[in-house]
Amino acid sequence: DAKTTQPPSMDCAEGRAANLPCNHSTISGNEYVYWYRQIHSQGPQYIIHGLKNNETNEMASLIITEDRKSSTLILPHATLRDTAVYYCIVRVGDSGYALNFGKGTSLLVTP
Amino acid sequence: EAGVAQSPRYKIIEKRQSVAFWCNPISGHATLYWYQQILGQGPKLLIQFQNNGVVDDSQLPKDRFSAERLKGVDSTLKIQPAKLEDSAVYLCASSLRVNYGYTFGSGTRLTVV
Repeated sequence: DAKTTQPPSMDCAEGRAANLPCNHSTISGNEYVYWYRQIHSQGPQYIIHGLKNNETNEMASLIITEDRKSSTLILPHATLRDTAVYYCIVRVGDSGYALNFGKGTSLLVTP
Repeated sequence: EAGVAQSPRYKIIEKRQSVAFWCNPISGHATLYWYQQILGQGPKLLIQFQNNGVVDDSQLPKDRFSAERLKGVDSTLKIQPAKLEDSAVYLCASSLRVNYGYTFGSGTRLTVV
């Protein structure tokens, strides 16, 4: 699986958009980008995933650059409850193997 | 739908003792995972089951850790004997199929003293 690089921490004001970057410059053509988040004292929670097209669901939007070497997770209107560690993971879609989590980005949403 | 159930929620044991954790995945989820999360780090996969067969246990310390998933439903993870460095949160997750989103339980926080 391709390696990902995320900033260790970020801040965002409540109500503003939170844009979390992820670099995956060695991604291959059949690798998906997955995003999970982990709120304190809970297990990780699936957010979204994509291959090359931008994706949106009720939680967030995923923007993948045209060369697929980086992506951004967007929380359009961050709330205090979005304070969590966000993990960007790259993996072959049909690999059959589990996701490998790195250290992620610790997002702090402030009032 | 009910989530992934784990028990106990917390456990404190002395080093060299044994401990077991239990996981009940979401009904119908064929794939089950056990992860270990040490404070300040991301979750690390210990073992992956597909139904009751092991897909990947390459990072499971087999001299002290064991896991089983009888009848392809519930699973138990055991540590015997425990070491201080086993202090961590043990997370169970399940998914309908391998490439689907995972649902995690709340985890078991183990402290070895």
